[in-house]
Amino acid sequence: NAGVTQTPKFRILKIGQSMTLQCTQDMNHNYMYWYRQDPGMGLKLIYYSVGAGITDKGEVPNGYNVSRSTTEDFPLRLELAAPSQTSVYFCASSSQSNSNQPQHFGDGTRLSIL
Amino acid sequence: AQKVTQAQTEISVVEKEDVTLDCVYETRDTTYYLFWYKQPPSGELVFLIRRNSFDEQNEISGRYSWNFQKSTSSFNFTITASQVVDSAVYFCALCSAGGTSYGKLTFGQGTILTVHP
Repeated sequence: NAGVTQTPKFRILKIGQSMTLQCTQDMNHNYMYWYRQDPGMGLKLIYYSVGAGITDKGEVPNGYNVSRSTTEDFPLRLELAAPSQTSVYFCASSSQSNSNQPQHFGDGTRLSIL
Repeated sequence: AQKVTQAQTEISVVEKEDVTLDCVYETRDTTYYLFWYKQPPSGELVFLIRRNSFDEQNEISGRYSWNFQKSTSSFNFTITASQVVDSAVYFCALCSAGGTSYGKLTFGQGTILTVHP
């Protein structure tokens, strides 16, 4: 059972480059999330999705875009990479009709912008 | 707005000591859920516990126990007889139970626990 899979695990980008962080889950979860974790800080929500075709902004959405064309996949797009986007990115999913189900997290993508 | 505060940035103990990680939260919601996650040095996030705001009963799971006190808005986590493998960053998190919350988590800053042999 793979759970939540994120690719790549590590990436170095130059300022201004673009890239897509991939996230896929095989648990048929309807809710998916993207968080970023900066050093010494907790995770902050970037975007979330409650189902295919439905996405919404979280606390720190600037500089990112998402799409949700299928239940399984929730890619995160950085259009113009900036040093402030150096972080560890976590994708998560949950199956819930209310908020009491724990989120399952991927192993993270460590991204450096130089 | 919701807020979770973990005032202890780092804690260092010697193996077999008991250690308590503090978590204080702020929310205007009457119904909510509290969580603890563990992030070991390998970096993944591991779910430890979920607590409903209606249930103030303390919970014990092996060497782990949780003390939820709604009156002080605290949800503290105690590790009894700590072990080196407990070394990790521990996060407390909160989400509303309302229909439009969609399970979005608000995390504390995390507490780095180091257990020395």
